[in-house]
Parts: sequence; structure tokens; C-alpha cells
Amino acid sequence: DAKTTQPPSMDCAEGRAANLPCNHSTISGNEYVYWYRQIHSQGPQYIIHGLKNNETNEMASLIITEDRKSSTLILPHATLRDTAVYYCIVRVPTGANSKLTFGKGITLSVRP
Amino acid sequence: DAGITQSPRHKVTETGTPVTLRCHQTENHRYMYWYRQDPGHGLRLIHYSYGVKDTDKGEVSDGYSVSRSKTEDFLLTLESATSSQTSVYFCAINPSGGGEQYFGPGTRLTVT
Repeated sequence: DAKTTQPPSMDCAEGRAANLPCNHSTISGNEYVYWYRQIHSQGPQYIIHGLKNNETNEMASLIITEDRKSSTLILPHATLRDTAVYYCIVRVPTGANSKLTFGKGITLSVRP
Repeated sequence: DAGITQSPRHKVTETGTPVTLRCHQTENHRYMYWYRQDPGHGLRLIHYSYGVKDTDKGEVSDGYSVSRSKTEDFLLTLESATSSQTSVYFCAINPSGGGEQYFGPGTRLTVT
């Protein structure tokens, strides 16, 4: 699986957009970008994934650069409940051995 | 809600005793996983299953065994608990066999 790099932390004001960056310069052509988050004391939560096109769901948007070497997760209107550690993971999405390798992630703090 | 429950949610046990953690899913998905999460190590895969009676080892399987006699239940057993197995244990399901996994609420195990 390609390695990802995320800054250790960031914060944003409640109600504003939170843009979380991720670098994955060694991504290969068949690897997808996945985002998860973990709110304190809870299990990780799947957010969104994509291959090369931008994706949007009810939780967030995922913007992948044209060269696919980086991506941004966007929470359009951050709330206090979005305070969590966010993980960017790059992997081929096939097979039973679909273990997820979580790095250190980025800690997002949403301030009132 | 991915329909995953874990039991017990909290357990304190003594070194040398056997412990069994249960993961139950309501959706009859094929793929299930056990992870442990420790400070400084992130999430690490212990064992996974790709069907009834079909299981395989993850990266930290020593000291753990698993069983899956029914689609909906995946059991993790510590045959003789040690203090190094004090951790938070998460179960996950993978509905599609791809990269999206859905996690249970976790079991906090303390071995004294």
C-alpha cells in the first residue's frame, strides 16, 4: 500500500469548511484513496473513498488532484462533533485480506 | 449504524486466564476482522475471516485465536491473557470485500 503523509493537527471554526490534506505521491494506478475518522473512544468510521474523480456524500467531499499524488477531504460545515482524528489510507480495494493500515492521522479540532 | 455489536464492552481479567471477546453482526457479511489499538501503534490487525470456518492471521496474531462457526459471530480468544494484551479491541466488517470497513464500538480489556 502507498504511504500517506498528513500534518499532525489542524483546527477550524464551527460552521466553516474544514479542508484536510493528504499526500500520497507514490500511489499506483489501481489504488484508491480512503478516509476514515475516529472520534475519541469510538471505533473508526468510514467517510468516503475515490480513485481519481472527485466524490461527495452526505458526510464529506473528496478532492483528488489530477496527478493523484494528493487529496483533500472537505467537511463543508464543521461542527464540534467533527472533532476527531482523520486518517487517509491508500490501498487496492480487493481481496479478503483487506486490512487497513492506519497511520497517525490528522487531529482536527473544531472550535466554537 | 452497521449493525455490529461487541461484548463485553469492558473487561478486567487476571494474567493467565482465558478470555473470549464476541463480535456480532446483523447483516450476514462475509468478511470480518479483529484489530487492537494501542497508543503509539495505531490499529493493528489480529485475525480476519472470509467466511464460516475460514480465518487467517493478521500482523499481531500471536497469543490469539479466532473462531467463526456462524456468519454473524466472530470470536476472539486469548488463551492465557498477558498484560501486553491490555488494549482496546475493535471488530470490523467489510460488506463488499473492498476497502470500506465498518467498525464496532470496541472492547476495552485490562489484564492485571
